[in-house]
Amino acid sequence: AQKVTQAQTEISVVEKEDVTLDCVYETRDTTYYLFWYKQPPSGELVFLIRRNSFDEQNEISGRYSWNFQKSTSSFNFTITASQVVDSAVYFCALSESLSGTYKYIFGTGTRLKVLA
Amino acid sequence: DSGVTQTPKHLITATGQRVTLRCSPRSGDLSVYWYQQSLDQGLQFLIQYYNGEERAKGNILERFSAQQFPDLHSELNLSSLELGDSALYFCASSVGEGIYGYTFGSGTRLTVV
Repeated sequence: AQKVTQAQTEISVVEKEDVTLDCVYETRDTTYYLFWYKQPPSGELVFLIRRNSFDEQNEISGRYSWNFQKSTSSFNFTITASQVVDSAVYFCALSESLSGTYKYIFGTGTRLKVLA
Repeated sequence: DSGVTQTPKHLITATGQRVTLRCSPRSGDLSVYWYQQSLDQGLQFLIQYYNGEERAKGNILERFSAQQFPDLHSELNLSSLELGDSALYFCASSVGEGIYGYTFGSGTRLTVV
């Protein structure tokens, strides 16, 4: 069954600390896509990144980096030198195609609090 | 501005009433998705449309219905409202189906009193 697990419900860090948000997924498909979204206190969800199952290269974008490991079915998100503006709920998502229809499922989210 | 427009932003209504939430997708996007987010809850998928056709249904109550019009805007109708329907309702759009990141609207906060 398709599943996304974000075991960390809430994380608090002090500004400038590095923090990693975990995402573990389950899928029977060999072709699938993984995503991260950010939901700041303002409420609007913002798309951060997409990876397909054939591309295990890690990605870095400024202070953000993503580590995709198929061997452990994980797609973890690291924020380096966290800032107060990083405080948000972060959602991991998985999309897979079964029987020709894509099914997109979100994890339950991790609330990140960055303290000044 | 994400390019996905949701109206209204806030809605307060009484139990038993019916409301319509509206979504205009980002220009060029053919897929529209509706999600419900209750307080401190995750995102619950309701329904998806692609170019006017219903493509997938999630945990959408029978009291809820939706449609996507020829101009690609979508409406989510919620009827016989109950207190438990109070939530943030998000619309999202994407170019295709499933393999792309979604662009979300700012949401409609529905309060049922």
